Amino acid sequence: DGGITQSPKYLFRKEGQNVTLSCEQNLNHDAMYWYRQDPGQGLRLIYYSQIVNDFQKGDIAEGYSVSREKKESFPLTVTSAQKNPTAFYLCASSIPGGPYEQYFGPGTRLTVT
Amino acid sequence: QQQVKQSPQSLIVQKGGISIINCAYENTAFDYFPWYQQFPGKGPALLIAIRPDVSEKKEGRFTISFNKSAKQFSLHIMDSQPGDSATYFCAANQAGTALIFGKGTTLSVSS
Repeated sequence: DGGITQSPKYLFRKEGQNVTLSCEQNLNHDAMYWYRQDPGQGLRLIYYSQIVNDFQKGDIAEGYSVSREKKESFPLTVTSAQKNPTAFYLCASSIPGGPYEQYFGPGTRLTVT
Repeated sequence: QQQVKQSPQSLIVQKGGISIINCAYENTAFDYFPWYQQFPGKGPALLIAIRPDVSEKKEGRFTISFNKSAKQFSLHIMDSQPGDSATYFCAANQAGTALIFGKGTTLSVSS
């Protein structure tokens, strides 16, 4: 089955710890994205990557970091510098340049206490 | 200029009724306007999408109406069913850029 997997589904961390969220896709898409979802806030773009070894900051990149060493993988690290890390994190992928449809993974709910 | 404004924030519709959700955008360079449906605890899934060269697109009970001059587009759900109860997001982008999402509309269809 083709698709996007995110693991784990639920993640709990103590304040001050860095945590890495996994995102893997087997759709052969070049572009991958990370969004953060908070109640009433919609989906806000954290980082995106149009090609391997290249990525750009989105609207809310502060406190986050990413890498794109392989086409299939786009892990997101939530660092201790992120002031409000508790949220639902969504990874997506698409064919760059068009037809623009983004396919989403099932999400990871991160809780930091 | 990058915002997509969505309304209403929440909507309650009786079974069999019509649900209407509206979005407005500012960037005239946007050329793709999708709607996503999201159930609690799940990732969003593409429902229907439109490009600015057409004014309406229909897929089953779901219709997008697009008004280029007003920079607005809307989702109409005909014969709304309890299974349609979900959060709906409009979005927009232009070639080579990430989607920009509205803040979402929580739809409840009462039986």
